[in-house]
Amino acid sequence: GDSVTQMEGPVTLSEEAFLTINCTYTATGYPSLFWYVQYPGEGLQLLLKATKADDKGSNKGFEATYRKETTSFHLEKGSVQVSDSAVYFCALLYTGTASKLTFGTGTRLQVTL
Amino acid sequence: EAGVTQSPTHLIKTRGQQATLRCSPISGHTSVYWYQQALGLGLQFLLWYDEGEERNRGNFPPRFSGRQFPNYSSELNVNALELEDSALYLCASSPTGGSNQPQHFGDGTRLSIL
Repeated sequence: GDSVTQMEGPVTLSEEAFLTINCTYTATGYPSLFWYVQYPGEGLQLLLKATKADDKGSNKGFEATYRKETTSFHLEKGSVQVSDSAVYFCALLYTGTASKLTFGTGTRLQVTL
Repeated sequence: EAGVTQSPTHLIKTRGQQATLRCSPISGHTSVYWYQQALGLGLQFLLWYDEGEERNRGNFPPRFSGRQFPNYSSELNVNALELEDSALYLCASSPTGGSNQPQHFGDGTRLSIL
């Protein structure tokens, strides 16, 4: 079945450090890929998306590129801030009759001064 | 634009009782999805409603059920509550189902079973 694998957390970085959170997926077709972020006590917020191979999603300094050849969708940010501390979820979505998001386990990011 | 709203924020029940959770989608969205976020189990898909019909169901027992009303709001019902039902229940909506449009989430209802 379809699945999403994320790197284990927590990831602890100093402010202004470079961030990479790895995400790989297993899928039989061509899903759309998403990154969501969850701040403490809140629901999920859509961070960025990519709907086909080689698409790059970007938002608020975060980027991720849909790599079909490596089945990956790694999240990157050049300079993290304390306010980026949260849990990040990678997810895939098929169109059609399934229409459900399949999530990775989430990666907690802690940014310190 | 108002986001997805869920009520109540917290719900405390005892084993064997029934719980009802409510969700109002973003205006103009016709599809509503329910997910369970339980400790140690991650985010799992529960149900998808579109245009008043149940379109897809996750691997959950029949005591998890719901419906979608003509105004596209939705209700999730959990009967015969068990301790392992304690979780954050998230509702999401999208403009239509069956497409690659993102799902937008509410802040959830935290259900605690005593």
